[in-house]
Amino acid sequence: ILNVEQSPQSLHVQEGDSTNFTCSFPSSNFYALHWYRWETAKSPEALFVMTLNGDEKKKGRISATLNTKEGYSYLYIKGSQPEDSATYLCAFTPNAGKSTFGDGTTLTVKP
Amino acid sequence: DTAVSQTPKYLVTQMGNDKSIKCEQNLGHDTMYWYKQDSKKFLKIMFSYNNKELIINETVPNRFSPKSPDKAHLNLHINSLELGDSAVYFCASSPPMAGELFFGEGSRLTVL
Repeated sequence: ILNVEQSPQSLHVQEGDSTNFTCSFPSSNFYALHWYRWETAKSPEALFVMTLNGDEKKKGRISATLNTKEGYSYLYIKGSQPEDSATYLCAFTPNAGKSTFGDGTTLTVKP
Repeated sequence: DTAVSQTPKYLVTQMGNDKSIKCEQNLGHDTMYWYKQDSKKFLKIMFSYNNKELIINETVPNRFSPKSPDKAHLNLHINSLELGDSAVYFCASSPPMAGELFFGEGSRLTVL
């Protein structure tokens, strides 16, 4: 069983605040890390796929970094908006293995 | 066109019944999955099929039986339903080489 941990479990911020959260995963046998955004009553949607140590990806106000040597990835949201409220999941894929999801960070952005 | 579609979206049934949830994807992916959203809202993998062959079978009661008639379909059949089977079940598909997962909208099963 692979240990994929996300922190914090939940986060409440004010509109306009910038925020970040963490995904920790095993530092050996890395193949890929995915970030997903999961809005209430919808299905998870992929945000980023990250495969190389040092990868940085950006989509609008959301960005992610990857450190495979120490086994973590950060997701950043700049200037949070109420529509950013969702659960953010990371999924770690080892070489020749199945993906394991973290339990998610639930972000609530208050207007 | 919905990429990954599941039916039914809602299913309410009695304990002891047998039910099926169907999943179809039109993305041309070889790999399909069933996930269960548990009571704590966490996503847990149940099964994965690659080109109609079972490749992942997590610790799931054998009352759950996936069936893949072709690589675009992965159905989930559940026998002798129990109260604890109540959950949202998500189907997903992915391209090769650890590509991202494309999820269906989920099927909410309620066992009374």
